[in-house]
Amino acid sequence: AQSVTQLGSHVSVSEGALVLLRCNYSSSVPPYLFWYVQYPNQGLQLLLKYTSAATLVKGINGFEAEFKKSETSFHLTKPSAHMSDAAEYFCAVTADTGRRALTFGSGTRLQVQP
Amino acid sequence: KAGVTQTPRYLIKTRGQQVTLSCSPISGHRSVSWYQQTPGQGLQFLFEYFSETQRNKGNFPGRFSGRQFSNSRSEMNVSTLELGDSALYLCASSPTDRGAETQYFGPGTRLLVL
Repeated sequence: AQSVTQLGSHVSVSEGALVLLRCNYSSSVPPYLFWYVQYPNQGLQLLLKYTSAATLVKGINGFEAEFKKSETSFHLTKPSAHMSDAAEYFCAVTADTGRRALTFGSGTRLQVQP
Repeated sequence: KAGVTQTPRYLIKTRGQQVTLSCSPISGHRSVSWYQQTPGQGLQFLFEYFSETQRNKGNFPGRFSGRQFSNSRSEMNVSTLELGDSALYLCASSPTDRGAETQYFGPGTRLLVL
């Protein structure tokens, strides 16, 4: 079965600092990996996804993630944090070979300090 | 195009009652998935429908059921509500047969069971 682990339930950075949110996955089949963001009282918005093409994936709002098979990781980064980045971030992996369901990590709440 | 819509947005029920939540996917999308989000268990997959057929079901008791109509709109039903069913229920639609690859989430229905 596929699973993801997000290290750090809360991350705090200063505005303008590097954002690094960690995600490690476990999968018995080649995974598709995703990062979603959730703002308060809203649904999930897709930031980016890895679908076995380029290992460095660029997403919206300046975020990017690198798929590292040797480390089974898919960490999310952004060079310079903005106040509007404060939200909860979820890493996810397709949970079945038919790619019909997602398994989510427990989430990381990002706080951006002025 | 309009996004995924979910009704109602907020709902209060008492233990033992039943509830029906509705999801209208983006026009043209035939895959609809449901997820439950709670502080304790995080985001968990409930079920996925494609062209009125349930193709995948998560690890939830039989009190949780769903269906999809010919216009792709979907409903989920929870019978004999328990306090632990209090959650944000998210619906997602996809334009592809492999629903998890490209999912668009609605804002969710927040259910409170008293």
